[in-house]
Parts: sequence; structure tokens; C-alpha cells
Amino acid sequence: QQQVKQSPQSLIVQKGGISIINCAYENTAFDYFPWYQQFPGKGPALLIAIRPDVSEKKEGRFTISFNKSAKQFSLHIMDSQPGDSATYFCAASISGANSKLTFGKGITLSVRP
Amino acid sequence: NAGVTQTPKFQVLKTGQSMTLQCAQDMNHEYMSWYRQDPGMGLRLIHYSVGAGITDQGEVPNGYNVSRSTTEDFPLRLLSAAPSQTSVYFCASSYSPIDRGGLNSPLHFGNGTRLTVT
Repeated sequence: QQQVKQSPQSLIVQKGGISIINCAYENTAFDYFPWYQQFPGKGPALLIAIRPDVSEKKEGRFTISFNKSAKQFSLHIMDSQPGDSATYFCAASISGANSKLTFGKGITLSVRP
Repeated sequence: NAGVTQTPKFQVLKTGQSMTLQCAQDMNHEYMSWYRQDPGMGLRLIHYSVGAGITDQGEVPNGYNVSRSTTEDFPLRLLSAAPSQTSVYFCASSYSPIDRGGLNSPLHFGNGTRLTVT
């Protein structure tokens, strides 16, 4: 059973538009939700993360929205740029001893100029 | 700091050959791990280590061995390569052996090794 599910599988957005990537999780014990960004030929890197005690976190053009009752969280990229074209992974973990980060399958975002 | 360094970047093997993928980090991280990335499958954990001398299996360990003799190095060995092991392999590390990729200990990834087994 996949614990973290991303949608859509791929996304094409025009420059200046808003990119929205969704993630749903199964385990209500998850208490940390990061997004990782991966450029072609590179390893993933932490982009932004949220804990369930807040409903939204914003860092520059990137915002995470969190809906605890729906067990969903999403990444919004405002004013999308061609340089945002990458693969995005959502993930989740449970804090504490022996914590383990569970990744979604990733989605490829293409921002057209 | 170089971060997490993986070698080689590319490798082609024939079925049945063996090889070692190297991973080194210079951040004094206790936790190190290996993932494989396949299209449509995301990142899957192969093996991990919470410190020198300690290793454990992830979700897809079959066909791979690891060892951790030093804090810095965590090599991944393919004993008898199979076409199903064609993939991109990533090494990742984090500061805490307990909070692995969590709030205070994010994962740092290398740039990967692209392996093709024919």
C-alpha cells in the first residue's frame, strides 16, 4: 500500500502561471511533510517543509498548504519560471526514534516559456 | 564542504558482473542510505546505516550488500548484476541517526550513479 500518493503524474504550466502539486497520505501518525526538488542529472534537495500544527507555510514563490482532516498537502509555485522545471517529490515521516522518510513517486513539472 | 560524493557517475555492466558504487560524505553525518530511482516508482530505500558498523535493510535490499566501516563512507555492492538493477542510484545522508530526513535533520543527496545492466 502506497502511503504517500502524488497527483498529477506530470504537469505543464506556462511561464508566470501557478503550479499546483497535490499529495495525499494514509498514516495519520505522520507529523512532518517535506517537498524535495530534483533537477535533471542531480540528486533531490529539500525545498520546503511543514508540520501539521500550521495550515500553510510560504517561502518566496513556494507555498505548502496542509489539510489535516483530508490528509492532504499541496505545493503551490507562484509565478512559475522555466527554471522551476524539475521533478518534485512529496514525503512524510513520523518524528521520534527510528523515523523514516516515505517518498511519493514524484511528478515532473515543465514550465513553458 | 563537498557534501555527498558518488562515484562513478555512469556505469555499464554485463549480467553477472559485480561492482561497487562509492559514496562519501564530509559533513560528519551519522545516517547514510542508498535509494534507487526508477520511472514511475519514485525513490525506494535499499539499505541504510545509523553509524559506523551498523547497517540495516530498506524496502528493496535483494541483490545488494552494504558495509559501514567509517562515518564518511557507505559503499553499495552489487554481487551479480541483473537487468532489473538498471536504475539511478542515490546516496543520501543526514545528521541525526534517529531523525532521518526529519525537521532538524534533512536528507542530503549525492548526484547519483546511472547504472545500466545489459
